[in-house]
Amino acid sequence: GESVGLHLPTLSVQEGDNSIINCAYSNSASDYFIWYKQESGKGPQFIIDIRSNMDKRQGQRVTVLLNKTVKHLSLQIAATQPGDSAVYFCAETGGFKTIFGAGTRLFVKA
Amino acid sequence: EAQVTQNPRYLITVTGKKLTVTCSQNMNHEYMSWYRQDPGLGLRQIYYSMNVEVTDKGDVPEGYKVSRKEKRNFPLILESPSPNQTSLYFCASQTGTGAYEQYFGPGTRLTVT
Repeated sequence: GESVGLHLPTLSVQEGDNSIINCAYSNSASDYFIWYKQESGKGPQFIIDIRSNMDKRQGQRVTVLLNKTVKHLSLQIAATQPGDSAVYFCAETGGFKTIFGAGTRLFVKA
Repeated sequence: EAQVTQNPRYLITVTGKKLTVTCSQNMNHEYMSWYRQDPGLGLRQIYYSMNVEVTDKGDVPEGYKVSRKEKRNFPLILESPSPNQTSLYFCASQTGTGAYEQYFGPGTRLTVT
C-alpha cells in the first residue's frame, strides 16, 4: 500500500484497550471539526464530526472531544480492534476551505 | 454505488509535459476539492469548487489549474509539471449544504522525473 506518513506520531495499543488520539487545531474561527481514518492505499474516510458549539459527540465506539480554550481536539476509540489500525487525521473547516492535521498512526497489537 | 473516481491511479511523467488527472463523483454533490498528500504533512488543499464554474484557491495552488464545467467532474491540470509536484493526490466531494463530511477518491500517485 501507499506510504503516506513515514514520520508520523505513532500510538500503539493492545487490542481491546481504549485509544486516545490528540490534535491541536490552528484557527479559532473554524466552526466544524472532523476526524478521518486512512487505511493503507485508500483515501481518507469520515469517522465523526463536531460543531464548534459542542464539547463532546459520541458515535459507535468513537467519541470526539473539543476544547476550544486550548484549541484541542481528541478522538477516543473504545475497545480498539485490529481493523482500527490506520492513520487518523483531524480536520478543521469553515465550510469549504479545510485544513488537515499531519496525522497519527495507530497500531493495534493483537 | 456512491463514489468518487480518479484516473489515472498511477502516473509517471517527465518535467514540463502537461497532464490532467480526472475526478468524477456520482452523488450530485455541489462541492469538490483537490488535495495533495506528502509524508508528514497531512493533506493540503490545492483548489476547491463550490459549484459549476465557481472555483477558488486552497493553500497550495501554485502550479495547478482546475475547471468545473459540469457538476460531476473536477479535473486537476498540471500545465508544466515539476519534480516538486511528485505526490499523492486526492479528489473529494461533499454535499455543500451544511454537511461538511467529504468523500474521497482512491488517490492518484504522480511521479515527475
